[in-house]
Amino acid sequence: DAKTTQPPSMDCAEGRAANLPCNHSTISGNEYVYWYRQIHSQGPQYIIHGLKNNETNEMASLIITEDRKSSTLILPHATLRDTAVYYCIVRVNDYKLSFGAGTTVTVRA
Amino acid sequence: NAGVMQNPRHLVRRRGQEARLRCSPMKGHSHVYWYRQLPEEGLKFMVYLQKENIIDESGMPKERFSAEFPKEGPSILRIQQVVRGDSAAYFCASSPPWRGNLAKNIQYFGAGTRLSVL
Repeated sequence: DAKTTQPPSMDCAEGRAANLPCNHSTISGNEYVYWYRQIHSQGPQYIIHGLKNNETNEMASLIITEDRKSSTLILPHATLRDTAVYYCIVRVNDYKLSFGAGTTVTVRA
Repeated sequence: NAGVMQNPRHLVRRRGQEARLRCSPMKGHSHVYWYRQLPEEGLKFMVYLQKENIIDESGMPKERFSAEFPKEGPSILRIQQVVRGDSAAYFCASSPPWRGNLAKNIQYFGAGTRLSVL
């Protein structure tokens, strides 16, 4: 699987949009971009995934650049409960998820 | 629809004892995956099972660790003769049967079992 690079941490104001970047410059054409998050002392929670097109669901939006070398997860209106470690993962045709260090997002009131 | 259920949530064992961790997948899910998260580290894949079959155990330590997913009942991760280095959070995930590209197969995680070895 392609490696990903995420900033180690970021702060966000409550009620504002949180934009979480992820670089995956070695991604191949059939690799999907997945986002999970892990709130303290809980299991990872699936957020969203995509291949080429931008995706949106009830939790977040995923913007993938045209060259697919990077992506951004957008939490449109961050709340205190969104404080978590966010993992960007790229997957090819494999069942193993590879979690890196992720980005620790702290939402502040 | 209940999510992935793991129990116990917390487990304390003394060195040399056995630890049994249980995982009930989501309804309709026939694939189970176990991951381990050591303190201050990311999750690492351990084993992938389907009903009555171990598909891939490449992430399992060679000794003392075993996993099963019987026809009836939950998946069990068993650690024999635990040592302090086994202290970690163990997460189970499940997914529905595969259809086409594995990369589109979403894994849903349980809340984990936190094992502490004294």
